[in-house]
Amino acid sequence: DAGVIQSPRHEVTEMGQEVTLRCKPISGHNSLFWYRQTMMRGLELLIYFNNNVPIDDSGMPEDRFSAKMPNASFSTLKIQPSEPRDSAVYFCASSSVLSSGNTIYFGEGSWLTVV
Amino acid sequence: SQKIEQNSEALNIQEGKTATLTCNYTNYSPAYLQWYRQDPGRGPVFLLLIRENEKEKRKERLKVTFDTTLKQSLFHITASQPADSATYLCASSRGSQGNLIFGKGTKLSVKP
Repeated sequence: DAGVIQSPRHEVTEMGQEVTLRCKPISGHNSLFWYRQTMMRGLELLIYFNNNVPIDDSGMPEDRFSAKMPNASFSTLKIQPSEPRDSAVYFCASSSVLSSGNTIYFGEGSWLTVV
Repeated sequence: SQKIEQNSEALNIQEGKTATLTCNYTNYSPAYLQWYRQDPGRGPVFLLLIRENEKEKRKERLKVTFDTTLKQSLFHITASQPADSATYLCASSRGSQGNLIFGKGTKLSVKP
């Protein structure tokens, strides 16, 4: 199993630029999650898809953030325009309806620095 | 609002001792709690799940308890080793949805 694959692993960008983070979930998983992790706030759920449909986006901080899942094997999280306070590690995770207790599997994260 | 909290940011113990980490939840009754391990620069990795009707769950040197009266889960690592040093996160689902909310984690350091 390849696991959840995220790209890029590291990104440094200037304030105001558009950032696109990409995720390939584990094959066969029907749920996909985007989390953000910072020292201050820990792991925060941004958005959650089920069968490619956004179910809960209440964690998306503001309109500058958007997420899409055009098919079962690909999702993007976009920040436009980016701001220094968006600097964080962004994790994508996936799970299967067959997973006991909704165990989720995380990617290695995308480390974003906005300067 | 529903909260899940790990009150200790860090825990330092000596190799061979038992590490005990605490997770408390407020304003909801989760059907289950999960524990994850996160190493620096890596994503969290699932360790154990315990359901509300289970008092205790074990996996090798790991033990998790779930006390619905105290609204608390304890995570124990017996005979701890330096390789157990990591951040441990507890998590549970909000309501009936599949999305998990996480505590901020406890960073465990096991000294030789």
